[in-house]
Amino acid sequence: DGGITQSPKYLFRKEGQNVTLSCEQNLNHDAMYWYRQDPGQGLRLIYYSQIVNDFQKGDIAEGYSVSREKKESFPLTVTSAQKNPTAFYLCASSPWGGQDTEAFFGQGTRLTVV
Amino acid sequence: AQSVTQLGSHVSVSEGALVLLRCNYSSSVPPYLFWYVQYPNQGLQLLLKYTTGATLVKGINGFEAEFKKSETSFHLTKPSAHMSDAAEYFCAVSERVAGNTPLVFGKGTRLSVIA
Repeated sequence: DGGITQSPKYLFRKEGQNVTLSCEQNLNHDAMYWYRQDPGQGLRLIYYSQIVNDFQKGDIAEGYSVSREKKESFPLTVTSAQKNPTAFYLCASSPWGGQDTEAFFGQGTRLTVV
Repeated sequence: AQSVTQLGSHVSVSEGALVLLRCNYSSSVPPYLFWYVQYPNQGLQLLLKYTTGATLVKGINGFEAEFKKSETSFHLTKPSAHMSDAAEYFCAVSERVAGNTPLVFGKGTRLSVIA
């Protein structure tokens, strides 16, 4: 089945640790995105990538890093510089341009700092 | 910069009643418009989208939305609410430019359905 796979579903991080959230898609989409979701704040864009080996910062990139070495993979690292990382993280992908620009979402990773 | 306003963070309706979730956007050029639904601890699922053509758009699960350029609105409706419609709903916009621009989301509206 085609889709987006995020892992793990739940992740616990100690203060001062870096953690990496995985996102893989087999939809052959060019663009991939990371959003952060907090209660009552909707989805806020962290990073996005329109093509392999290139990515752009979103609205809340501080404390996060990404890589795009393969078309199907877009991992997100939450660094120790992120002061309040507890949130629900959603990965998405979409085709390049045209009318079909809706994004397809993974099932999310819930990160908790302990 | 584009923005999306969803009026009402929480809407409660009785089963069988009309559902109306409001969405207004700010953009000098009408964007692409989307409605997504999210069930607890899950990702987002596309309900419907407006890109061009007919301004009344029908989606899944009996939902529809109407694009009104003069009001910069894209309100979501369903004639008769079902218990399974209880979820969070997000309105989103995307610029009409070449390539891809990320979706910009509203803050969401949580829909409760009362038996």
